[in-house]
Amino acid sequence: GQQVQQSPTSLVLQEGENAELQCNFSTSLNSMQWFYQRPGGSLVSVFYNPSGTKQSGRLTSTTVIKERRSSLHISSSQITDSGTYLCAIRSNYNVLYFGSGTKLTVEP
Amino acid sequence: GPKVLQIPSHQIIDMGQMVTLNCDPVSNHLYFYWYKQILGQQMEFLVNFYNGKVMEKSKLFKDQFSVERPDGSYFTLKIQPTALEDSAVYFCASSLGTGGGDTQYFGPGTRLLVL
Repeated sequence: GQQVQQSPTSLVLQEGENAELQCNFSTSLNSMQWFYQRPGGSLVSVFYNPSGTKQSGRLTSTTVIKERRSSLHISSSQITDSGTYLCAIRSNYNVLYFGSGTKLTVEP
Repeated sequence: GPKVLQIPSHQIIDMGQMVTLNCDPVSNHLYFYWYKQILGQQMEFLVNFYNGKVMEKSKLFKDQFSVERPDGSYFTLKIQPTALEDSAVYFCASSLGTGGGDTQYFGPGTRLLVL
């Protein structure tokens, strides 16, 4: 079954607005990771966050293991933030199981 | 940062033919992965590979699929014979280890179209 679920499916913001992306997982995991997928397709790791809160610039990730959820907060969104954000759980042998992603569009 | 290269970027072939997708992983990485993403759908794990062996594979890794990395060269995914449902973007990834901080680095993908 579906192990990783993301919401919303898509999100349209005006430049400067904040975004909150959610990830829920239904299975035990070793850790949680967030990726950004460029419109062209390649993936870049945004956060490796097994638990707690991490911040990097305008991005903040919070993972609560016992509630089986993780969130990615983007503050003061910019046009260049547009793309798809994927969360993934890492299980045995470092295998990543991805959610369906949140497609973010930031408009001027 | 570290880069993973994939060759070719695009490939169009006729159903039933063989195709080999090539991945040039990060130079000192030891673990290698293939993922498949059908257009508009989520990324799915296919297989991972370490020390010349498949460590784990998913149900998507059909008998027609094989992987190898001969003599430290390209890490390859071979599909023989191809089927229409193999059309997708295939992403290669590599990591130094499998510990908590060992993130996977992804290539740009090979877009495979089977006609």
